[in-house]
Amino acid sequence: DAKTTQPNSMESNEEEPVHLPCNHSTISGTDYIHWYRQLPSQGPEYVIHGLTSNVNNRMASLAIAEDRKSSTLILHRATLRDAAVYYCTAQRRAGGTSYGKLTFGQGTILTVHP
Amino acid sequence: GAVVSQHPSWVICKSGTSVKIECRSLDFQATTMFWYRQFPKQSLMLMATSNEGSKATYEQGVEKDKFLINHASLTLSTLTVTSAHPEDSSFYICSGTWGLGYTEAFFGQGTRLTVV
Repeated sequence: DAKTTQPNSMESNEEEPVHLPCNHSTISGTDYIHWYRQLPSQGPEYVIHGLTSNVNNRMASLAIAEDRKSSTLILHRATLRDAAVYYCTAQRRAGGTSYGKLTFGQGTILTVHP
Repeated sequence: GAVVSQHPSWVICKSGTSVKIECRSLDFQATTMFWYRQFPKQSLMLMATSNEGSKATYEQGVEKDKFLINHASLTLSTLTVTSAHPEDSSFYICSGTWGLGYTEAFFGQGTRLTVV
């Protein structure tokens, strides 16, 4: 399984952009990069995923390096509700019974200041 | 996004008893469900992967006889912690995906298990 490495914590001010980095140097060519976030005592929430091209959705943007060894989750205007633990994961398409398996790293605790 | 409902949200049980946790996909058919365990201030640790109608695939180090997983339908998976001990106290989270391969996972709200 691909290993992901993220900073332990980051801070931002409200309404400013936030760039959350992730290294995944052991990723294989068929692994997708997923981002999830988790609030205390809740299950993770899907944020975004992609393979090679940059991706945008209503929550965030995902910028994937050309060599796919790293990616950056971009929150364009942070709000207090964006404060959470953000996990970058690699989704490996395994055969048989392991479709869509996600392995979580330690994540980044994002603090947003008013 | 799709909804996964997990029940109960929290449970307290006595050491030596068994506890069942249910995970339901409410508005999609979850071809694959995953069970995770999370200790305080730690990341999610994948326990097992299950496909509807098949035996679960357990991660290395997870006791299959202790953590029984059943995925009898495309909308329901259960995790039974048998003969629970205090060290089994943790936050258990399920997730479901649909389709083949690369789709987002939808997570339940988690179950806080405390074994006394």
